[in-house]
Amino acid sequence: GENVEQHPSTLSVQEGDSAVIKCTYSDSASNYFPWYKQELGKGPQLIIDIRSNVGEKKDQRIAVTLNKTAKHFSLHITETQPEDSAVYFCAARGLTGGGNKLTFGTGTQLKVEL
Amino acid sequence: SAVISQKPSRDICQRGTSLTIQCQVDSQVTMMFWYRQQPGQSLTLIATANQGSEATYESGFVIDKFPISRPNLTFSTLTVSNMSPEDSSIYLCSVETSGRLYEQYFGPGTRLTVT
Repeated sequence: GENVEQHPSTLSVQEGDSAVIKCTYSDSASNYFPWYKQELGKGPQLIIDIRSNVGEKKDQRIAVTLNKTAKHFSLHITETQPEDSAVYFCAARGLTGGGNKLTFGTGTQLKVEL
Repeated sequence: SAVISQKPSRDICQRGTSLTIQCQVDSQVTMMFWYRQQPGQSLTLIATANQGSEATYESGFVIDKFPISRPNLTFSTLTVSNMSPEDSSIYLCSVETSGRLYEQYFGPGTRLTVT
């Protein structure tokens, strides 16, 4: 089945700086890659996603890139703000080995400092 | 998107007892999922619940321990049976909407502590 690795586990940036979180996946047939933001005491919130037929997608301060050859995808947050502080999870939807389900990375605790 | 509610939001239970968690969605959905998130950890899929069929459990999870019901397209329950302290976790309901393919949304979670 799918295996997703996520780095770094913690990330601290100054307000206004950019933050980058990287994930790799193992199933070359995976075709959908969402990113979730989870604030303390809340459920994960879908913030952006990318499909395997696209290399990059942007939504205001958030962008995601996908490199299918290398099997990795990244989340980019520009002009970070304190409200961006949360745990971010990447995921991949695999198709092999009992796939058709999301496999999540281990999470990145992002802290945006004033 | 979808608006998902869960009940209870949190509970403290004694070992050996059972707790049923309810998940309600504001629109009809085909795919519903139950996840477990242990403190400070990632999300682990327990089972997929489709209306009109038996739930499909992931490796390491069994129906006797986590029975699931899916009586209609907007509602599901997960029961955590014969609880032990190791079952202390956040339990999350998730749905895949019929809008954009594969998009999955999560409920607020049920925070369970077993003493």
